[in-house]
Amino acid sequence: DAGVIQSPRHEVTEMGQEVTLRCKPISGHNSLFWYRQTMMRGLELLIYFNNNVPIDDSGMPEDRFSAKMPNASFSTLKIQPSEPRDSAVYFCASSLNPGQLYEQYFGPGTRLTVT
Amino acid sequence: DQQVKQNSPSLSVQEGRISILNCDYTNSMFDYFLWYKKYPAEGPTFLISISSIKDKNEDGRFTVFLNKSAKHLSLHIVPSQPGDSAVYFCAAGNNDMRFGAGTRLTVKP
Repeated sequence: DAGVIQSPRHEVTEMGQEVTLRCKPISGHNSLFWYRQTMMRGLELLIYFNNNVPIDDSGMPEDRFSAKMPNASFSTLKIQPSEPRDSAVYFCASSLNPGQLYEQYFGPGTRLTVT
Repeated sequence: DQQVKQNSPSLSVQEGRISILNCDYTNSMFDYFLWYKKYPAEGPTFLISISSIKDKNEDGRFTVFLNKSAKHLSLHIVPSQPGDSAVYFCAAGNNDMRFGAGTRLTVKP
């Protein structure tokens, strides 16, 4: 089992550019979560999908952020335009819902640096 | 508005001693509580969980305690080992989990 796959692992971009982060959840999992980790706020839930449908996007910072899940095996998180304050590590996680106490499996993260 | 809070950003413990990590939450409707462990450059990994119908769950050296009236949970690690040094996140919720900011545990040999 390959686990949750995220790409790229590192992204460095200039302010104003579009950034797309990608995630492949574990096969068979039907819930997918996007998180952002910063020093100040720790691990924040941005959005989560259940059966490819966005359920709660209240954590998305602003309209510059958007997420899609066109099928059960792929999701993207897009930032357009990017700003330096978006610099963080972005994690994708998946779970089998209903699962055993909602354990989520995390990917290795994408470290985003916006200059 | 953070619904899950870990008020101690760091904790240092001597090897062999007990580590106690604390977590508070605000929503009394939360039914599930989990602890995750995170090493540098890796994603968090699941450690232990508890549901609201229990007040204690034990797995080897790790025990999670839940005090629903105080909206407080804690993770006990005993005995602590240097390999336990990591950032520990607590999470609480129902369909979606809200995470605390994490506590960095350092276990000194």
